[in-house]
Amino acid sequence: AQKVTQAQTEISVVEKEDVTLDCVYETRDTTYYLFWYKQPPSGELVFLIRRNSFDEQNEISGRYSWNFQKSTSSFNFTITASQVVDSAVYFCALSEAGGGGADGLTFGKGTHLIIQP
Amino acid sequence: DTGVSQNPRHKITKRGQNVTFRCDPISEHNRLYWYRQTLGQGPEFLTYFQNEAQLEKSRLLSDRFSAERPKGSFSTLEIQRTEQGDSAMYLCASSPPPLAATYEQYFGPGTRLTVT
Repeated sequence: AQKVTQAQTEISVVEKEDVTLDCVYETRDTTYYLFWYKQPPSGELVFLIRRNSFDEQNEISGRYSWNFQKSTSSFNFTITASQVVDSAVYFCALSEAGGGGADGLTFGKGTHLIIQP
Repeated sequence: DTGVSQNPRHKITKRGQNVTFRCDPISEHNRLYWYRQTLGQGPEFLTYFQNEAQLEKSRLLSDRFSAERPKGSFSTLEIQRTEQGDSAMYLCASSPPPLAATYEQYFGPGTRLTVT
């Protein structure tokens, strides 16, 4: 069975600090997809990134970067120079490829990130 | 282009009543998903449609829950004989056709159900 673990329940940092959110996953499939979503206080989940299991290249998008390591089954998310607007709950999610990547997502419990001014 | 919409946004009902939620996906998306999210937890998958066909159902979807997508466009989720444990945010998401090879799911704002 697939599982996503986000061990950090809550992280609080001061604005402009860098912060890394951890995600560890379990799956028996060799082909799978990993996602990060942001859920701001308004409640609507916002898609941030998708990574497939064959692409281990790290990705950077502005202040956001993602580190995918199959050897440790981790897909960590780093925010550089954090801002108050980054305050939200962040979810890591996994989809196995049995349905062509169309299966329901398995989410972690989320990490509540608080950026203090 | 509008995103995924859900109605109503909030629903308060008494235990034992039936409720129905509606989801309108992004227009070109043929895949539609329902999730449930309780406080402090991540969303949990309930069911999935490709066009009008319901292809996958989670064990979380008890007999009191039924979902339809009659014309492959909007979808409804009905809960019969609601229980207090059904109180949660019900999320709908949609995704482009497989040929698009993107697999991202785009979520609506959710319907918050409170069962009293």
